[in-house]
Amino acid sequence: AQRVTQPEKLLSVFKGAPVELKCNYSYSGSPELFWYVQYSRQRLQLLLRHISRESIKGFTADLNKGETSFHLKKPFAQEEDSAMYYCALSGSDFLSGTYKYIFGTGTRLKVLA
Amino acid sequence: GAGVSQSPSNKVTEKGKDVELRCDPISGHTALYWYRQSLGQGLEFLIYFQGNSAPDKSGLPSDRFSAERTGGSVSTLTIQRTQQEDSAVYLCASSLVSGVFYNEQFFGPGTRLTVL
Repeated sequence: AQRVTQPEKLLSVFKGAPVELKCNYSYSGSPELFWYVQYSRQRLQLLLRHISRESIKGFTADLNKGETSFHLKKPFAQEEDSAMYYCALSGSDFLSGTYKYIFGTGTRLKVLA
Repeated sequence: GAGVSQSPSNKVTEKGKDVELRCDPISGHTALYWYRQSLGQGLEFLIYFQGNSAPDKSGLPSDRFSAERTGGSVSTLTIQRTQQEDSAVYLCASSLVSGVFYNEQFFGPGTRLTVL
């Protein structure tokens, strides 16, 4: 089955501590992976995508095809990083031939002062 | 340019009434998505439109839910005979080209639906 799993609903870390938001996926093919973020009272927006190999706001994500994971990491968390984070994948479904865009259930990150 | 817009921003209705939620995607975006966001449930896919192709309705939770996209632009999500469990934030998103694996979705501000 195609799915994106974010095992933690809530993750609390202290300011300055490293943070890792976990994302595992199950997909019959080679999907593209994304992280989206929703800050309080703001729209859901793209944070970063695997294909760009970029670091946004100090966050990076490495695709591990062997472990089918795309964990989001930041070495030193800041209070302004507190938000809801969603992992997502996109790709063509080999069985149906249709295009799929699948989101995980999200992880709420709280960075404590 | 203008982003994705949704109306109304808030809707309070009584159980059993029908509601219509509107989404205006970014001009030129061929793909349009509807999601439902509720506490503890994350982001739930509802329906996806791409150009003139038949929509992917696989996420609609019941036959009380339907959506249309007129002229490849504006979309309306209709919920008939609303139930209290329909209370949630309904999000619309659009993207420039579908079928390209790395396309980004642009989200609207959402419509908060409360069913009393």
